[in-house]
Amino acid sequence: GNSVTQMEGPVTLSEEAFLTINCTYTATGYPSLFWYVQYPGEGLQLLLKATKADDKGSNKGFEATYRKETTSFHLEKGSVQVSDSAVYFCALKEGGGNQGGKLIFGQGTELSVKP
Amino acid sequence: GAVVSQHPSRVICKSGTSVKIECRSLDFQATTMFWYRQFPKKSLMLMATSNEGSKATYEQGVEKDKFLINHASLTLSTLTVTSAHPEDSSFYICSASPTDTQYFGPGTRLTVL
Repeated sequence: GNSVTQMEGPVTLSEEAFLTINCTYTATGYPSLFWYVQYPGEGLQLLLKATKADDKGSNKGFEATYRKETTSFHLEKGSVQVSDSAVYFCALKEGGGNQGGKLIFGQGTELSVKP
Repeated sequence: GAVVSQHPSRVICKSGTSVKIECRSLDFQATTMFWYRQFPKKSLMLMATSNEGSKATYEQGVEKDKFLINHASLTLSTLTVTSAHPEDSSFYICSASPTDTQYFGPGTRLTVL
């Protein structure tokens, strides 16, 4: 079945460091890929998405490129801030089309940014 | 983006009682909503898919008689945890989608004493 694997956390970085959180997936067909962020005690917020191969999603300095050849969707940010401390989830949506289908989540990666 | 709300945000109840959690799509209609459960420092586990006007679809291992789902309108789905026990304590999150992207509610922290 479909699955998503993320690098294990926690990841601890100093402010202004470069961030990479690896995400790989297994899926049949052509899933859409997402990164969500969860701040403590809150629900999930959409960070960015990509719906087809070679698409690059970007938001708030974060970006990720849909790589079909390596089945990856790694999250990157050039210079992290303390306010980026949160848990990041990679997810895929089964099936194509414009309807909100079932999401398969990775295990989440906790990021802690120190001043 | 689209807005999904949940109520209550936090609830504490005694063992054996039932608790209802509401999930609303505030600025769009949703024929389908999803209910997730999240344990501390863990990922989200899909519990069920709520379908407006029909029965919910439960994931394997989720007790449908324990977690009752009702999707009576295009903007409201409810999850009722029946005869709650301490092991049901968790963070419950719903989501809904007006397009190809799911938007999540802020979550409900359930504590069963």
